[in-house]
Amino acid sequence: GAVVSQHPSRVICKSGTSVKIECRSLDFQATTMFWYRQFPKQSLMLMATSNEGSKATYEQGVEKDKFLINHASLTLSTLTVTSAHPEDSSFYICSARNGADNQPQHFGDGTRLSIL
Amino acid sequence: DQQVKQNSPSLSVQEGRISILNCDYTNSMFDYFLWYKKYPAEGPTFLISISSIKDKNEDGRFTVFLNKSAKHLSLHIVPSQPGDSAVYFCAASVPSGTYKYIFGTGTRLKVLA
Repeated sequence: GAVVSQHPSRVICKSGTSVKIECRSLDFQATTMFWYRQFPKQSLMLMATSNEGSKATYEQGVEKDKFLINHASLTLSTLTVTSAHPEDSSFYICSARNGADNQPQHFGDGTRLSIL
Repeated sequence: DQQVKQNSPSLSVQEGRISILNCDYTNSMFDYFLWYKKYPAEGPTFLISISSIKDKNEDGRFTVFLNKSAKHLSLHIVPSQPGDSAVYFCAASVPSGTYKYIFGTGTRLKVLA
């Protein structure tokens, strides 16, 4: 149980394009999902917390107009990188928590975004 | 300011021996710690966790030790197997709001056959 699916796994697109990444909890409902970004050989950095039915909570330094998050249902959160530029190229990973706050987060397999 | 640190970027261990991965933290308010394992091009997989009210938690070959006074935790894998070769991240949970995680930078474990 506790499977999180992330799609697409890889995106290559031109500068200025907007890219949408989906994160789904397949066998559980998640009121809270999390979006992370990982640079090579670095830690997973939390970008924002996605709350079902309400606005996302962004970490300091993350542009909310650049990284749009929508959590329209208990099983789906989306991250849209708007007008992407080469510096947005990175590995983006989502996670979801199944149940109470002391339950571990379960992660998707990530999306490798490359902006040309 | 890196609140969760894994000072060893890599570790090599012979198959069958013990692997010890270390993690240090600075915030005494952290109350829940986790270890995740990550293969290339995949998301992290949850391994084991420990609450701050405990000093040890064991699950099969994996044991996590917590030393609150030293703000240090470690993951022991015994016996180590080639399939354990991966990057291991420790994470600490912030005990408020959405209980978000702060991750260390990871340690790449290579288990030699």
